Amino acid sequence: EAGVAQSPRYKIIEKRQSVAFWCNPISGHATLYWYQQILGQGPKLLIQFQNNGVVDDSQLPKDRFSAERLKGVDSTLKIQPAKLEDSAVYLCASSPFGQGAYEQYFGPGTRLTVT
Amino acid sequence: AQSVSQHNHHVILSEAASLELGCNYSYGGTVNLFWYVQYPGQHLQLLLKYFSGDPLVKGIKGFEAEFIKSKFSFNLRKPSVQWSDTAEYFCAVNAAQNFVFGPGTRLSVLP
Repeated sequence: EAGVAQSPRYKIIEKRQSVAFWCNPISGHATLYWYQQILGQGPKLLIQFQNNGVVDDSQLPKDRFSAERLKGVDSTLKIQPAKLEDSAVYLCASSPFGQGAYEQYFGPGTRLTVT
Repeated sequence: AQSVSQHNHHVILSEAASLELGCNYSYGGTVNLFWYVQYPGQHLQLLLKYFSGDPLVKGIKGFEAEFIKSKFSFNLRKPSVQWSDTAEYFCAVNAAQNFVFGPGTRLSVLP
């Protein structure tokens, strides 16, 4: 079974620039999560999708962050404009619908450095 | 809002020593509990989980955890660690579809 795919793996941008991350979840997984993990901290949930609908985006800084999950499969997370404090690893995870729905499978993450 | 705390930031052990990593959460309702591990250079993966039933759960690689509801705790244990257990360990709580991770504990096992 293929895992969660993310790209790019690394990205360096200057502050005020924009950036986008892509995630392809495990086939058939209905739920998709985006997390931000700042160095030395645990992952913080930014947004959760159930199919192509948003379940929870309460911690997403909506003035600069946006995310979409078209057709209930792939997802993109965008930051515009980026700030220095956005430097972090952005993790995508997915989970199946039904039994074991809450077990998440993580991708390798995208390491973002904002200079 | 719920929160998750982990007792130790960094734990250093020698091989064959016993391990216990503490995890406490703040939420009074029904919870699902998880321990995830991140080995150096690898992505987060599930060690074990508790949904209901026996509060002592066993996971991969000889790890186990005990859910003590009265103490709001879900501590991770292993009787004898190996060098290959060197990693970052995260406790996580799912309550009312709200997923919260702890800050993590870095485990270094000396050969």
